[in-house]
Amino acid sequence: GAVVSQHPSWVICKSGTSVKIECRSLDFQATTMFWYRQFPKQSLMLMATSNEGSKATYEQGVEKDKFLINHASLTLSTLTVTSAHPEDSSFYICSARPVTGTDYGYTFGSGTRLTVV
Amino acid sequence: AQSVSQHNHHVILSEAASLELGCNYSYGGTVNLFWYVQYPGQHLQLLLKYFSGDPLVKGIKGFEAEFIKSKFSFNLRKPSVQWSDTAEYFCAVRSLSSNTGKLIFGQGTTLQVKP
Repeated sequence: GAVVSQHPSWVICKSGTSVKIECRSLDFQATTMFWYRQFPKQSLMLMATSNEGSKATYEQGVEKDKFLINHASLTLSTLTVTSAHPEDSSFYICSARPVTGTDYGYTFGSGTRLTVV
Repeated sequence: AQSVSQHNHHVILSEAASLELGCNYSYGGTVNLFWYVQYPGQHLQLLLKYFSGDPLVKGIKGFEAEFIKSKFSFNLRKPSVQWSDTAEYFCAVRSLSSNTGKLIFGQGTTLQVKP
């Protein structure tokens, strides 16, 4: 089945630094990937839609200059949290939807736990 | 505003009890509906989905859900839960009118099954 690999699974960084999170579709191509943020005991909040070869579409209230998204190929999207602050600490999850084939939904990565100290 | 609402935030059941988790959405037009499960420390897994056809959908692990268009609902059911069903359950909706393919999630329901 479809597998999405997310890396790193956890990261601790100092306030003011930037962190890059990778999301790879391992056995399928995805023109569209999605980035979510999940707070403890809460739901997944969609941050942005990552489109291969074009600019990402951000949800209302999400700072695009702070959360940089790059979708350079059909199998890789990256989320960079720039100038991270403690309030950016959260669980970030990506998901991908195959380009072709039966639309069986979305495959999710295992998530990245970001802690900013 | 478009939204997905799960009524039960925390459900505690004994093994063998029946389960029903509510999900309502407020989208106009055609939607696709999903239920995902997140076991402790694991990633989201698809339980079942509804695109069209029979509104009673059967998924993995004995789960099923019924789409009632008139009520904008997609409730999840299981006749007899097991301790291993302890997890977080999320309802999600994709509006086909938006053409973005994005999924919007409900708040989630924590299910705790006591052995």
